[in-house]
Amino acid sequence: DAGITQSPRHKVTETGTPVTLRCHQTENHRYMYWYRQDPGHGLRLIHYSYGVKDTDKGEVSDGYSVSRSKTEDFLLTLESATSSQTSVYFCAISDRTSGNYEQYFGPGTRLTVT
Amino acid sequence: AQTVTQSQPEMSVQEAETVTLSCTYDTSESDYYLFWYKQPPSRQMILVIRQEAYKQQNATENRFSVNFQKAAKSFSLKISDSQLGDAAMYFCAYLVGGNTPLVFGKGTRLSVIA
Repeated sequence: DAGITQSPRHKVTETGTPVTLRCHQTENHRYMYWYRQDPGHGLRLIHYSYGVKDTDKGEVSDGYSVSRSKTEDFLLTLESATSSQTSVYFCAISDRTSGNYEQYFGPGTRLTVT
Repeated sequence: AQTVTQSQPEMSVQEAETVTLSCTYDTSESDYYLFWYKQPPSRQMILVIRQEAYKQQNATENRFSVNFQKAAKSFSLKISDSQLGDAAMYFCAYLVGGNTPLVFGKGTRLSVIA
């Protein structure tokens, strides 16, 4: 299994509070991604990174920001959490060298905003 | 924008039987990659099989195989000799090269009946 961890694994927070989710990898992969999973929507991309300090928006980026100051860590921040951001968040990584385009996923973080 | 459509929100299969999950995608690209991911109740995303668009031969991984019809933009997953452990959400995903991220379908929930 790819070395990807997410922290915390579960979090309950109140509306209006800031929240930061962390993704950590030990694979030295260049690409990292944040998705959210909601019933009936599958996985939707929030932000992704294609290198240290290189990030781009995904399909559902409003209300989220990211940072990547080193290869192994990719942080997702909800500046002011809302109930609509209650979801399961997945981090993924990929290498993309030698035609290897698979994405490997972390275990997910269940976030509840009350 | 590329889209991936899974037209069957839910399916069921008897243990030891064969089931086919459908996936269609919309793209103007000629070179791309297709994937099927499995998500069991543990929530972990597991890569089942991949297909490169430039390869005419359909990919196979043990009991899992695909029927890739490039002209029809169809990428179905066949599970043979279904087992109870195959019960999961299955996601079809599409990727073009470069920095672009995976695009997921909304998933098909597969139940296996003993």
